[in-house]
Amino acid sequence: GENVEQHPSTLSVQEGDSAVIKCTYSDSASNYFPWYKQELGKRPQLIIDIRSNVGEKKDQRIAVTLNKTAKHFSLHITETQPEDSAVYFCAVYEAAGNKLTFGGGTRVLVKP
Amino acid sequence: KAGVTQTPRYLIKTRGQQVTLSCSPISGHRSVSWYQQTPGQGLQFLFEYFSETQRNKGNFPGRFSGRQFSNSRSEMNVSTLELGDSALYLCASSLGGRNEQYFGPGTRLTVT
Repeated sequence: GENVEQHPSTLSVQEGDSAVIKCTYSDSASNYFPWYKQELGKRPQLIIDIRSNVGEKKDQRIAVTLNKTAKHFSLHITETQPEDSAVYFCAVYEAAGNKLTFGGGTRVLVKP
Repeated sequence: KAGVTQTPRYLIKTRGQQVTLSCSPISGHRSVSWYQQTPGQGLQFLFEYFSETQRNKGNFPGRFSGRQFSNSRSEMNVSTLELGDSALYLCASSLGGRNEQYFGPGTRLTVT
C-alpha cells in the first residue's frame, strides 16, 4: 500500500515568514493530493489540493507543488499569521484502494 | 448545504463493551470513510463505503466493523473494547474517487 512521509513534524516560524512542509509518497499511481488543516479540538479542514496532471496550484497565501517524478509534494504558506498555527496533514489518494493515506502531520506555530 | 454530522460526540465505555458510532454525510455524497485519530498514530484509515458496499478496509482487527445504509448514512461498530481503542473517530464524506473528502466533527471515545 501507499506510504506517506511528512516533514518536519514541528515547525516554528515568525509571523510574516514563510512555512514549507514536504511530503513524499511511494505509489506512482496515486493521483490526488489534498492538504488538511486541523486546529486544536476541531475537525480537519481541506485547505488546498492538487491532482496529478497539475504541477502547482495557488490560493491566496497558500500553494502546493507536485513533483510526480520524484514523488513528492509540498505546501507553501507565505506571510504567515498567528491564525495559521495548527496541525497540517498531507494525504495521498490511492485510486486502486479508494482511500486516503495521511502523513504524520506537521505542527506549525506562528510566533507574533 | 449541511455538513457531515457524527453522533455521539463523546463516549465513555468500559473495556469489553461494544460501541456504535454514526455518521451522516453531506447530501448527495455516496462515499463515507472512517478514520481513527490518535496522538501517536495520526490519522489511520479504517474503511470506506460507497453505495452500501465496503470497498476497502484498513489494517485494523475484525472487532472494527461498519456498514452503510441506503441513505448513505454509515455506522461503525467496535466490539470487545480495549484501552487502546481510545481515540477520536472521524468520518468523511465525498462524491467518491478523486474528490474532496469533508470531515465530520468526530466522536471522542474513551475506554476505561
